[in-house]
Amino acid sequence: AQKITQTQPGMFVQEKEAVTLDCTYDTSDPSYGLFWYKQPSSGEMIFLIYQGSYDQQNATEGRYSLNFQKARKSANLVISASQLGDSAMYFCAMREDFSGSARQLTFGSGTQLTVLP
Amino acid sequence: KAGVTQTPRYLIKTRGQQVTLSCSPISGHRSVSWYQQTPGQGLQFLFEYFSETQRNKGNFPGRFSGRQFSNSRSEMNVSTLELGDSALYLCASSPNGGSGNTIYFGEGSWLTVV
Repeated sequence: AQKITQTQPGMFVQEKEAVTLDCTYDTSDPSYGLFWYKQPSSGEMIFLIYQGSYDQQNATEGRYSLNFQKARKSANLVISASQLGDSAMYFCAMREDFSGSARQLTFGSGTQLTVLP
Repeated sequence: KAGVTQTPRYLIKTRGQQVTLSCSPISGHRSVSWYQQTPGQGLQFLFEYFSETQRNKGNFPGRFSGRQFSNSRSEMNVSTLELGDSALYLCASSPNGGSGNTIYFGEGSWLTVV
């Protein structure tokens, strides 16, 4: 089974509107972290937001918030008030803290977001 | 505070050659990880180094190797290049590579093998 699933290969959103990018994960590790990264066409992977498995509250960073539903194993990224500069590929990633793949990130396939003027 | 620095940014190599890529982590970060990104396979973990020791390795052939120096800078080497090695190679930096939320990437090195 895929450890990280991003079911939206591409998304379009109107400038100034909010958009939700989906991410579901699969792990039996009790301790893990979930990350979202933005990758523009230049290639750099830009850190956006982090959610730990034991965090009680949903993470927020400026216009980014993470809708963390632990029981459903989902960690959707919400971008409020989209800007043209938000157009990029977005990746969800997981770090499992106790499994054999600790100290590495497992990435989803990404969602290409296009913000329309 | 300087970010993660990767060099070179772009390079073109011929099949059979070897290549060395460099990564300087954020100051104070001791863990460096490497990832390969291709259109077909997506982002795949190569290896992770901490205090000059490789702690974790992904499922890549032995042609892919790396090392870390005492100043935490890391290099990765690919020998006997194949066309399929054409990819974006990304380096990630974190304080200790374990739990925590600080994992930052560099701009990557674009490798083209012809």
